[in-house]
Amino acid sequence: DSGVTQTPKHLITATGQRVTLRCSPRSGDLSVYWYQQSLDQGLQFLIHYYNGEERAKGNILERFSAQQFPDLHSELNLSSLELGDSALYFCASSVGSGPYEQYFGPGTRLTVT
Amino acid sequence: QKEVEQDPGPLSVPEGAIVSLNCTYSNSAFQYFMWYRQYSRKGPELLMYTYSSGNKEDGRFTAQVDKSSKYISLFIRDSQPSDSATYLCAMSWMDSSYKLIFGSGTRLLVRP
Repeated sequence: DSGVTQTPKHLITATGQRVTLRCSPRSGDLSVYWYQQSLDQGLQFLIHYYNGEERAKGNILERFSAQQFPDLHSELNLSSLELGDSALYFCASSVGSGPYEQYFGPGTRLTVT
Repeated sequence: QKEVEQDPGPLSVPEGAIVSLNCTYSNSAFQYFMWYRQYSRKGPELLMYTYSSGNKEDGRFTAQVDKSSKYISLFIRDSQPSDSATYLCAMSWMDSSYKLIFGSGTRLLVRP
């Protein structure tokens, strides 16, 4: 158990809908990273928050957004969902915004039908 | 060309064998190198973390980094059936984020 929690574990929704994925980092960690894992693209970086501030964006679609709250948990919002958004979404946390180990949560499996 | 290349396997070995997993990369700015193990549909688990070139050993695992060749390896000694999983290499560099760039993963099967 990495200490990173994610909810929900599974999510099944229809195209065009909006969902919110939640991540709680390990106790004491200030950084949250979001990654998407699909069969054809592998693990891809989406976005990084450090202590409430956005630090970097990867190939994140405009339909996707995220935030990190004062209690350091983070939410990833996915809207106008398409079939191709079906994937595993992981968050990872690290102690800071530097070359620190990133610990991954169990992931949320999103299925768009 | 992908920034990080990794043979997808599967790699099938008998129990007790020494396993060698490898990644090559193209970005010379990479300085931090990690190996993760991922069981089916689970979150990646950090196995090894190394900085720059050199070797690092932890139990049955040894990580090697050769920056001159842009090549990293993970060796698993005395492999066990419980080591059967997908192994992902990941790399980062000094920027504002230290986000990870992953290889596509190598699937390992250790036969009893």
